[in-house]
Amino acid sequence: AQTIHQWPVAEIKAVGSPLSLGCTIKGKSSPNLYWYWQATGGTLQQLFYSITVGQVESVVQLNLSASRPKDDQFILSTEKLLLSHSGFYLCAWRGDNQAPLFGEGTRLSVL
Amino acid sequence: QQQVRQSPQSLTVWEGGTTVLTCSYEDSTFNYFPWYQQFPGEGPALLISILSVSDKKEDGRFTTFFNKREKKLSLHIIDSQPGDSATYFCAASANSNNRIFFGDGTQLVVKP
Repeated sequence: AQTIHQWPVAEIKAVGSPLSLGCTIKGKSSPNLYWYWQATGGTLQQLFYSITVGQVESVVQLNLSASRPKDDQFILSTEKLLLSHSGFYLCAWRGDNQAPLFGEGTRLSVL
Repeated sequence: QQQVRQSPQSLTVWEGGTTVLTCSYEDSTFNYFPWYQQFPGEGPALLISILSVSDKKEDGRFTTFFNKREKKLSLHIIDSQPGDSATYFCAASANSNNRIFFGDGTQLVVKP
């Protein structure tokens, strides 16, 4: 069975500080991977997707970047956090039936 | 332009009642429509999904209907339970496309 794990579970960071969030999927070879952002009480906004190692496509510009250093790993990062980066970050992989299947999420608070 | 519109924004039903959530979309290339259930503090979980070649799919108490001509879909929950209280999202995508668009969500409360 496939499992997806996100780290950390939660972060509290200062404005202007760097950020790195991670996602690992096990049990699935060469998965399509996605990053989503969700404001409190809001919809899911797709940020990035990746279909293979080293290849990442940006969907929206939010002063964030993403990388796919390994087949099973997807990283979201920024060098300078903004207040607007606060929210819930979700990593997902594309299931066999085409639907994104989400991890547990990382709650980010920028102060 | 919002690709997927969802209504209502919030809904309260009594235990045992039927919940109906609706979504509409614009892009005629969309052919896959998943519904998700999200509890506070958790990631969304895939609930049920339908392809555009079908007009109905059922899974236990959950049924999704699809109307291609009107570009609308709906989620029906029969015998709604307090444990169904959550936020529900519809989504849409085109075949083999890695762009998936979500509605704004419906916050459902089922009262005992």
